Parts: sequence; structure tokens; C-alpha cells
Amino acid sequence: EAQVTQNPRYLITVTGKKLTVTCSQNMNHEYMSWYRQDPGLGLRQIYYSMNVEVTDKGDVPEGYKVSRKEKRNFPLILESPSPNQTSLYFCASSLGGEGYGYTFGSGTRLTVV
Amino acid sequence: KQEVTQIPAALSVPEGENLVLNCSFTDSAIYNLQWFRQDPGKGLTSLLLIQSSQREQTSGRLNASLDKSSGRSTLYIAASQPGDSATYLCAAALIYGGATNKLIFGTGTLLAVQP
Repeated sequence: EAQVTQNPRYLITVTGKKLTVTCSQNMNHEYMSWYRQDPGLGLRQIYYSMNVEVTDKGDVPEGYKVSRKEKRNFPLILESPSPNQTSLYFCASSLGGEGYGYTFGSGTRLTVV
Repeated sequence: KQEVTQIPAALSVPEGENLVLNCSFTDSAIYNLQWFRQDPGKGLTSLLLIQSSQREQTSGRLNASLDKSSGRSTLYIAASQPGDSATYLCAAALIYGGATNKLIFGTGTLLAVQP
């Protein structure tokens, strides 16, 4: 089944403890993105990647890192999480052409205490 | 800067009613427009995608239209059912280097279909 898989689905952590949210897609998509969703603010892009080793900042990149060493994987790294990073996170991927939309993962609900 | 607005923010209708959700965007230079459904605390399910060169797309009881010149898209749901209750999001894809790297989302319409 074609899908974007995120792990973990739920995570509670403490301030300052480094964490990684994994994202993997099995559709050979070149484009991958991370979004966060917050009440009243909607979905905002954190980082995106247009191919292996090509990444760039989205609208809210502060406090996050990403890497794209393989086409299928696009992990989101929080080096020193803070409570304002408590949010619902989504990974998405696409072939990138006009006729291709984005497929989203099921989301990771992160709570930083 | 592209901004996407959805009206109404919330809608409650009786079962069986036909309804229209509205999405407007400020910059007509979009790559495509995608409609999603989101159930509470869940992921986004893609419903329809309309390419910038298209006017509408249909899937079952759903029909989405796109008018780039006026910066509007509508999602029409025919014969609504309680199972249609969810938040509906539209997202405009920005053009970058011949492809799209970014979706700009509206804040959604929360739909409740009453049995």
C-alpha cells in the first residue's frame, strides 16, 4: 500500500531532551515536507526537501532540523525541544508535478513538558 | 504572499442536504489546489486535486471547482451523510522551479451533518 509512515504516533518528552520523529514513504516521491498544526494557526510548513541532500526552510523552521540522506526517509529532529513545540506534526510527500498532490502521514502528537 | 481563506468556519446541516464549502486564495499563480478531509486528531485524507489548467474534478458525491481568475475554489457535497462530518481543508500549491514545494492551507471548515 502506498503510504507515508510516521513514528511515533504519540510522544511526551521533557524540555531539552533531543528527539527524532521518523518519516518514510514508499512511493519513490522526490518532494517531502514537514508541517505542524496548531489550533487557530492551521498547518504551517517547517522544512521541505526536493531531493536527496536538498533541503530548505519553510515558514517555521526555528528549533528544528531535517536530513534527507535517502529518498524514502525524511526525519525531523528537535535538538532541544521546548514547550512551544508541543503540536501535531505531519510529514507529506509528492512527485511534485502539477497533476500530483501531497500524501500525508497519520501525524505525530508531540507534548513537551 | 499567498493567503488562503475558507468560509464558513463551521457548518451544521441535516442529513441529505447538498452543501458548498468555499475556499479563496489571494495569488492566482498556483500549481494546483487540493481538498483534504481531517477527522478529529487524525491525519489528512486527500479528496480531490484540481490542476491549475482544470476547472473541476469529481469523485463520487464530491465535486470541486477552480476559478483561478477570481481566486476561488468550491467543494460541493451532494446528499450529505453523518459520516461526512469532519474538518475540510483546502490547500493551494505554490509554484517553485517548475514544481511545487509548498502547500498553503486554509484554516478549514468544520462540518457537522445531523442524522
